[in-house]
Amino acid sequence: AQSVTQLDSHVSVSEGTPVLLRCNYSSSYSPSLFWYVQHPNKGLQLLLKYTSAATLVKGINGFEAEFKKSETSFHLTKPSAHMSDAAEYFCVVREGSARQLTFGSGTQLTVLP
Amino acid sequence: GAVVSQHPSWVICKSGTSVKIECRSLDFQATTMFWYRQFPKQSLMLMATSNEGSKATYEQGVEKDKFLINHASLTLSTLTVTSAHPEDSSFYICSARTSGRDTQYFGPGTRLTVL
Repeated sequence: AQSVTQLDSHVSVSEGTPVLLRCNYSSSYSPSLFWYVQHPNKGLQLLLKYTSAATLVKGINGFEAEFKKSETSFHLTKPSAHMSDAAEYFCVVREGSARQLTFGSGTQLTVLP
Repeated sequence: GAVVSQHPSWVICKSGTSVKIECRSLDFQATTMFWYRQFPKQSLMLMATSNEGSKATYEQGVEKDKFLINHASLTLSTLTVTSAHPEDSSFYICSARTSGRDTQYFGPGTRLTVL
């Protein structure tokens, strides 16, 4: 069975400082991992995905994530936060070739001026 | 590319009435569509998976007679909430995926409020 844990429900950073959103996963098979962002009352937008290629994945808007199998982690980072990054972020896992996605509980990112 | 739309974006209805929500893939063929619900401040929970032309597969605890899903074409799926009650008030989000691709593309969601 697959599961995903987002370690922080809320993260606050100042504009221009680095962002780190943490995610740990559990999967019996080779997982695919995703990060989605959700702005208020909007649908989810795919930031990046890992599907067994390069372990360092670069996404849109300057975000990237590193797949670490030994740590079962897939943390999301960005060198410099922008006000427009304020949103809810979801780490998502899909096991093997399964169609079903399992969502983490989400991390609310606040960017302070 | 890969745009998914939902209609309506929000709806308010009286208790006991039925509400239909549409999910459309605008520029690709959605062989599989997914319906999620999201309560305030919570994550998305998968309700059901539907393949075009087949009956939907519901997740445990989701009443198939209450949440009717139809996926009659490769670009349209509908979710009908029958005899809606206030506890059905939620944010309903669909996603779509095409055959051979692993990425799901999400719609903007529909806010349902049942009075």
